[in-house]
Amino acid sequence: DADVTQTPRNRITKTGKRIMLECSQTKGHDRMYWYRQDPGLGLQLIYYSFDVKDINKGEISDGYSVSRQAQAKFSLSLESAIPNQTALYFCATSDSGPSGETQYFGPGTRLLVL
Amino acid sequence: GQQLNQSPQSMFIQEGEDVSMNCTSSSIFNTWLWYKQDPGEGPVLLIALYKAGELTSNGRLTAQFGITRKDSFLNISASIPSDVGIYFCAGRLYNFNKFYFGSGTKLNVKP
Repeated sequence: DADVTQTPRNRITKTGKRIMLECSQTKGHDRMYWYRQDPGLGLQLIYYSFDVKDINKGEISDGYSVSRQAQAKFSLSLESAIPNQTALYFCATSDSGPSGETQYFGPGTRLLVL
Repeated sequence: GQQLNQSPQSMFIQEGEDVSMNCTSSSIFNTWLWYKQDPGEGPVLLIALYKAGELTSNGRLTAQFGITRKDSFLNISASIPSDVGIYFCAGRLYNFNKFYFGSGTKLNVKP
């Protein structure tokens, strides 16, 4: 089984709709992240959470919200989707071992906003 | 915001050739990670580097943490068709809790 799972894998929605993307992990990591990827660009950080009670905005948080329901679950919501939110969305988790921090990614959700 | 400059943007090589790509920054990083991403999939971690000067291999892949801490290199030896994909770097600033990502190097390998 995959360590980091995302649902749905693909989603088509209309402008103005509210949608939620979900992420679950079995790695036991405290830190979880949501990123957005656009063609030709690097990953951009939307939100991150270092534990259940900790939520932090990333570089591009406007138009998005998150919920950390449990250590293993971190969901991303688009309250009112708009076409320029069409992108690939990735969830990631990280551990901070004795050597340093490493991030592990989920398979991604491809979102199309019409 | 912080930027990582990754080059080249794309490469077209013959099977069997060696490949080299790099990432540079104006800031000092304490971690460099290298990933490979296949179309429609999530990035997969290839190599993690945590110390300046560190040289780490993973099969035919070798990556180095630059001495200045502002750059990192990834080399692929004897490329094969399954090496095709997008490779990108990620760096973590010292005392910052976020990673910054390069825009990727798209590798094409001709059989």
